[in-house]
This record gives sequence, structure tokens and C-alpha cells, in this order.
Amino acid sequence: ETGVTQSPTHLIKTRGQQVTLRCSSQSGHNTVSWYQQALGQGPQFIFQYYREEENGRGNFPPRFSGLQFPNYSSELNVNALELDDSALYLCASSYGQGMSGYTFGSGTRLTVV
Amino acid sequence: AQKITQTQPGMFVQEKEAVTLDCTYDTSDPSYGLFWYKQPSSGEMIFLIYQGSYDQQNATEGRYSLNFQKARKSANLVISASQLGDSAMYFCAMRDLNGSEKLVFGKGTKLTVNP
Repeated sequence: ETGVTQSPTHLIKTRGQQVTLRCSSQSGHNTVSWYQQALGQGPQFIFQYYREEENGRGNFPPRFSGLQFPNYSSELNVNALELDDSALYLCASSYGQGMSGYTFGSGTRLTVV
Repeated sequence: AQKITQTQPGMFVQEKEAVTLDCTYDTSDPSYGLFWYKQPSSGEMIFLIYQGSYDQQNATEGRYSLNFQKARKSANLVISASQLGDSAMYFCAMRDLNGSEKLVFGKGTKLTVNP
């Protein structure tokens, strides 16, 4: 069984640009969540997608948006990048409610300069 | 609002000894789940153990056990027989089981296992 894969692993963007991060969920999982982890902090919930619909959102502005595709893979889009968007972005997949834990990817490390 | 507190920024343990990582939580929901994750330097969050708020027994998974004290709102992780590969960040997290899909994480504890 394949785990959660994220791409790219690292990238550097300039303030004001837009970025798209990608996530392939674990086989058999239909729910994808995205988290932002700033340096030295715990992950913060951005939003979750279930059956291609947003199913919960954290305290992030609308310039953070996402998509889930029929194969349950997902994208996180961030517009008008700010320096504070520099972080590790983690994708997690689960089946349904994820009661026994989500499977996380290794993340995308985004640096905004 | 839910909150997770991990008061130990860093912990050190000798190889083969046991170590306890502290976690306290705050929630007004009667139904919730508590998780522990390990994050090595590679960045991936590795699921270790889960405890539901209505579970009667403390959860155990191999060398990991969760010391769940509901009245004190604590969910400490105990790692027995520490190994060098246990050196990593450890995060406690909570999920409300009534509708909210998000995990709320603490700030983490950096565990270093010394040979």
C-alpha cells in the first residue's frame, strides 16, 4: 500500500506570487486534510476535503484554497504569498472520520522571500 | 476552544530507559480523541497511538503507551526501552469527535536519546 506523497518537497517563491502544492492520498483513503507548520510550532489545520467538497476550514484567509480530485488527490493553492507563509505544508489522508489517525506525507517546505 | 499544552520543549533519555512526555488538554466536548505523533527531521508525521475519551483502558502500541487521566485532562506518552531512532519531535493532538474534522496540535517536545 502506498503512503501519502507530496510534491514538490521544497520550493522558493517571491512575495506576491502564487503557489500550488500537490498531494496524493494513501490508497483507499477518501479524505484529505492540509496543515501548515511554522518553524518550531505544531501543525495548524488549514482545511479538509471529503468527496471533492471542502469539509471544514481553520483560521486561514481565502487566499488559501484547495481542490480534491475524483481520485482523492488534492491541491493546496496559496495566492499573494506573504513572508509569513514560509512553512512546512503537510497533507494527511484518512478514510472517513480518521478516528484512528491520519496518514501524513513528508510535507512541502515553502520559503517565501 | 480546544487546546493542547506540551510543557517540555526538550527531553533527554538514556538508551534502553523509559521516558514520559507530558500532554494536557482542554476541551468542553465530552467526546474527543487524543493522538500522539512522531516527527523525525524528514518532516513526516508518524502516527503512534490513539485514545478515545470513552475508552476504559489506556491505549498501548508496542513500546508506546498512553497514560490517560481524564479527570486531570492529561494524556502522557510513555516510551519504554528507548532506542536511538526514537530521537525526534513528538506532538500530542486532539480531535473533537462531533463534527469538527481538524486535529489541534501542541507545540511538541524534542526527545533526544543518548547512547
